Amino acid sequence: EAGVTQFPSHSVIEKGQTVTLRCDPISGHDNLYWYRRVMGKEIKFLLHFVKESKQDESGMPNNRFLAERTGGTYSTLKVQPAELEDSGVYFCASSQDAAGTSTDTQYFGPGTRLTVL
Amino acid sequence: LAKTTQPISMDSYEGQEVNITCSHNNIATNDYITWYQQFPSQGPRFIIQGYKTKVTNEVASLFIPADRKSSTLSLPRVSLSDTAVYYCLVGVFNQAGTALIFGKGTTLSVSS
Repeated sequence: EAGVTQFPSHSVIEKGQTVTLRCDPISGHDNLYWYRRVMGKEIKFLLHFVKESKQDESGMPNNRFLAERTGGTYSTLKVQPAELEDSGVYFCASSQDAAGTSTDTQYFGPGTRLTVL
Repeated sequence: LAKTTQPISMDSYEGQEVNITCSHNNIATNDYITWYQQFPSQGPRFIIQGYKTKVTNEVASLFIPADRKSSTLSLPRVSLSDTAVYYCLVGVFNQAGTALIFGKGTTLSVSS
């Protein structure tokens, strides 16, 4: 069974540009999560989808970030326009259980390392 | 501010038992405690999960006291390949309801 995949693995862009990150969850997993780790800080929750609906987006830092999950399969996270402080590693995770809490076993992708210059 | 606390780093030798404690004072009533392991350039990988008392699987044990305000991951007889960063993940109460909070991670270094 394929795990969670993320694309690209690395992205280097200039301040003000737009970047779109993609996450393909494990097939059949309704829950999809986005996290971010900024250098030297902890992994922070961004948002949680249940199928195509945003269950919790309380961790999204500001309106420059837009997450979508059309059709309830893969998800994209767009940053527009990117700022220097957006640099970090963006992780995606998926889970099968319906609780959508830390009760679920989340399976993580390898992450996308974003560098904004 | 809801948060979890873990030691930043720990050192050990092969064959020893390692215990890593995470404190989570504001853990949500119905949420579990989950521990993850992360190697460089990889995403976190599930190790073990529990709600209370003790849980054991083939790789680790998890000890949770009755008040659930902390948890201890126990790795028996570590090897060099256990060198990694270990995170606890819990749901904690905050002003918005319940938030998923990762600890900052504990970097475990195992030497021969």
